[in-house]
Amino acid sequence: NAGVTQTPKFQVLKTGQSMTLQCAQDMNHEYMSWYRQDPGMGLRLIHYSVGAGITDQGEVPNGYNVSRSTTEDFPLRLLSAAPSQTSVYFCASRNRGKNTGELFFGEGSRLTVL
Amino acid sequence: DAKTTQPPSMDCAEGRAANLPCNHSTISGNEYVYWYRQIHSQGPQYIIHGLKNNETNEMASLIITEDRKSSTLILPHATLRDTAVYYCIVSRNYGGSQGNLIFGKGTKLSVKP
Repeated sequence: NAGVTQTPKFQVLKTGQSMTLQCAQDMNHEYMSWYRQDPGMGLRLIHYSVGAGITDQGEVPNGYNVSRSTTEDFPLRLLSAAPSQTSVYFCASRNRGKNTGELFFGEGSRLTVL
Repeated sequence: DAKTTQPPSMDCAEGRAANLPCNHSTISGNEYVYWYRQIHSQGPQYIIHGLKNNETNEMASLIITEDRKSSTLILPHATLRDTAVYYCIVSRNYGGSQGNLIFGKGTKLSVKP
């Protein structure tokens, strides 16, 4: 199993450009989420999904869109990039169900907005 | 979800036990305690979780106080590879619905030779 795969690993954008960070998992997990991590900070939840067709906002959703058309994929879209969105983005997934506990993370996508 | 308080940093000698504390005084009955760690810039890695009983796995032990207001993660024989940021998170988990995991700043554990 590949686990959680994020692409691209590195990206540089200019202010105002749009782009999509891709996230795919091959574990048939119902729950998927996106976090961002700024230097010296913990992770902050952007958006999450509990299944195909269902998405919801996390702590810091502004400036980001998500969709969940399949169980496997959960792309994160930046509509008009801003320097404040320079960060490392992590995608994560897990099974729903009681007492599962473990959230599986991707390796991260490092985004710089100039 | 209840908030947690962790010391910002700790040191531990290689080969010794590392005991990482976490306070979660507002934890409610259906909230579990989760521990994750993040090595350098990698994605966080799950370590262990528990409700009220002590838990042990191949990585660590989790000791939760009887009143559940605090817990301690124990790495029994710390190695240099255990140097990481350790996150203590409290989140609900009942009836098939687990809450989102909200990460704080964690504890930076430095294992020294």
